Amino acid sequence: EIVLTQSPGTLSLSPGERATLSCRASQTVRINYLAWYQQKPGQAPRLVLYGASNRATGIPDRFSGSGSGTDFSLTISRLETEDFAVYYCQQYGSAPLTFGGGTKVEIK
Amino acid sequence: EVQLVESGGGLVQPGGPLRLSCAASGIIFKNYAMSWVRQAPGKGLEWVADISGNGDYTYYADSVEGRFTISRDNSINTMYLQMSSLRAEDTALYYCAKHKGSGVGNDYFDNWGQGAPVTVSS
Repeated sequence: EIVLTQSPGTLSLSPGERATLSCRASQTVRINYLAWYQQKPGQAPRLVLYGASNRATGIPDRFSGSGSGTDFSLTISRLETEDFAVYYCQQYGSAPLTFGGGTKVEIK
Repeated sequence: EVQLVESGGGLVQPGGPLRLSCAASGIIFKNYAMSWVRQAPGKGLEWVADISGNGDYTYYADSVEGRFTISRDNSINTMYLQMSSLRAEDTALYYCAKHKGSGVGNDYFDNWGQGAPVTVSS
């Protein structure tokens, strides 16, 4: 099983700042099969990125992803109020599908 | 618009059974694999099980293998999760999630339901 470790656990930033979230895998993620989800309190997760760097439908271009192998990142170029949430990475290159523990992006 | 609506959650005693349903609309249901993903209170996401679009293939997390059964009825656009021998650690919000494609295993989730709460307690 691929274990995904997200860091930091919490990121305290102000609107307009840049956020960089990390997701590290215990083994190589095949074909960069890595997705990111956003979850707000009381809501279901929402797909943000897939294939490490492809934005999902409706996701603004301030969200970007990069990485390969075992190290991936999600960057939000300029935080908007609606971006404060918990973000999870998920690998889908190897069974079983696994998620990281999440990074909370909170307002400073 | 894709809609996934879970139902069947509730309070159940340890060792008991419970069946969750997920009704889908806005998609050609048989064309997509589906998963159940759960989230314990205050915790992260855990994939539970998935099923291929035609229902021929199913996979389970080790934590539920042998206790949970995933199935689907494409004639009524509904997926199920039959849970048995429930334990306190199964307490969670259970989400129904649609895969991008029809196959299981190597896929991400592009639509989610709002979740069905399951509480296992005496």
